Amino acid sequence: GAVVSQHPSWVICKSGTSVKIECRSLDFQATTMFWYRQFPKQSLMLMATSNEGSKATYEQGVEKDKFLINHASLTLSTLTVTSAHPEDSSFYICSAPGTGPKETQYFGPGTRLLVL
Amino acid sequence: AQSVTQLDSQVPVFEEAPVELRCNYSSSVSVYLFWYVQYPNQGLQLLLKYLSGSTLVESINGFEAEFNKSQTSFHLRKPSVHISDTAEYFCAVSGVGAQKLVFGQGTRLTINP
Repeated sequence: GAVVSQHPSWVICKSGTSVKIECRSLDFQATTMFWYRQFPKQSLMLMATSNEGSKATYEQGVEKDKFLINHASLTLSTLTVTSAHPEDSSFYICSAPGTGPKETQYFGPGTRLLVL
Repeated sequence: AQSVTQLDSQVPVFEEAPVELRCNYSSSVSVYLFWYVQYPNQGLQLLLKYLSGSTLVESINGFEAEFNKSQTSFHLRKPSVHISDTAEYFCAVSGVGAQKLVFGQGTRLTINP
């Protein structure tokens, strides 16, 4: 099946710094990717839709200036958490839909961010 | 817009016992329905999905779910669980042809020996 990778898997940073998370589709192209955030013992909440060649679409309540998304190519989307604060600590997960009709989402393994 | 409710946050069962994880959804349009499983410290994996056709769908590891349109439910069942089934299970919904998923709160399935 299709594989989606994320890098890094773990990141610890100081408050006020920026952190970049990469999401790659390894064996297929994805014009669209999705970014989710999962707080401990909670569900996944969609943050934004990353679109190759155009601006990302953010869900209501998500600060676009804080969570910068760049869909650099058909296999790579990046999420940059700018000026991170402890409340941004979470598990960030990306997904990409497979090709073909009625294809389902393939999820990356997630990136755990801890802001000190 | 869609929403999903998983009625049980935790379900403890004994090994080899049957289990049902409940999922109800609401939507103003036709839907696709999914169950994803998240093993400890891992990403989400698709367990099974309903897109169209038979309302009973099965996974390769013995789980099944039935789409019940009148009750807006998509409950997940397994007749006999194994220790390795210990995980977090998420029900999710999307509009037909849409790619955005809306997830339920998750149900933690714990199997006791």
